[in-house]
Amino acid sequence: EAQVTQNPRYLITVTGKKLTVTCSQNMNHEYMSWYRQDPGLGLRQIYYSMNVEVTDKGDVPEGYKVSRKEKRNFPLILESPSPNQTSLYFCASRPLTSGRAYEQYFGPGTRLTVT
Amino acid sequence: AQSVTQLDSQVPVFEEAPVELRCNYSSSVSVYLFWYVQYPNQGLQLLLKYLSGSTLVKGINGFEAEFNKSQTSFHLRKPSVHISDTAEYFCAVTPPQTGANNLFFGTGTRLTVIP
Repeated sequence: EAQVTQNPRYLITVTGKKLTVTCSQNMNHEYMSWYRQDPGLGLRQIYYSMNVEVTDKGDVPEGYKVSRKEKRNFPLILESPSPNQTSLYFCASRPLTSGRAYEQYFGPGTRLTVT
Repeated sequence: AQSVTQLDSQVPVFEEAPVELRCNYSSSVSVYLFWYVQYPNQGLQLLLKYLSGSTLVKGINGFEAEFNKSQTSFHLRKPSVHISDTAEYFCAVTPPQTGANNLFFGTGTRLTVIP
């Protein structure tokens, strides 16, 4: 089954404790992206990647890091989480060159709480 | 810069009644337009998209949307809603000139279908 998976789905942590949220897709998509969803703000893009070793900032990159060492994986790293990073996070992927090039496939989400 | 306005944060409607969810966008360049649906505790799923061509776009689950360039709108409609349509709906735009790497979302409209 074609899908985007995220782990963990739920995470409660404390301020300053480094964490990583993993994202993996099995569709051989070149493009991957991370969003955060906050009430009243919709989804905002954090980072995106066009391919392996190619990443770029979205609208709200502060406090986040990403890496793209393999095509299928795009982990989101919070080096020193703060309470304002409490949010619902979504990973997404899409192909760049097929007829469905503009259709993003979303993961199920990771709910992060930073206390 | 692009921005998306969803004029209604919540829309209650009775089962089998028609519904329209409004979306307006602001952009200095042409954009591609999308509607996504988010069912409770799930990721986002593409309903439909407008890239070019006919301004009336049909999507999944009986939804359709009409692109109106002069009014910069992309309203979503369904002639008869079902209980299972209860979800949050997001309008999004992306400028193809930048490779469609940045997807800008509205704040969402929560559709509640009343039995």
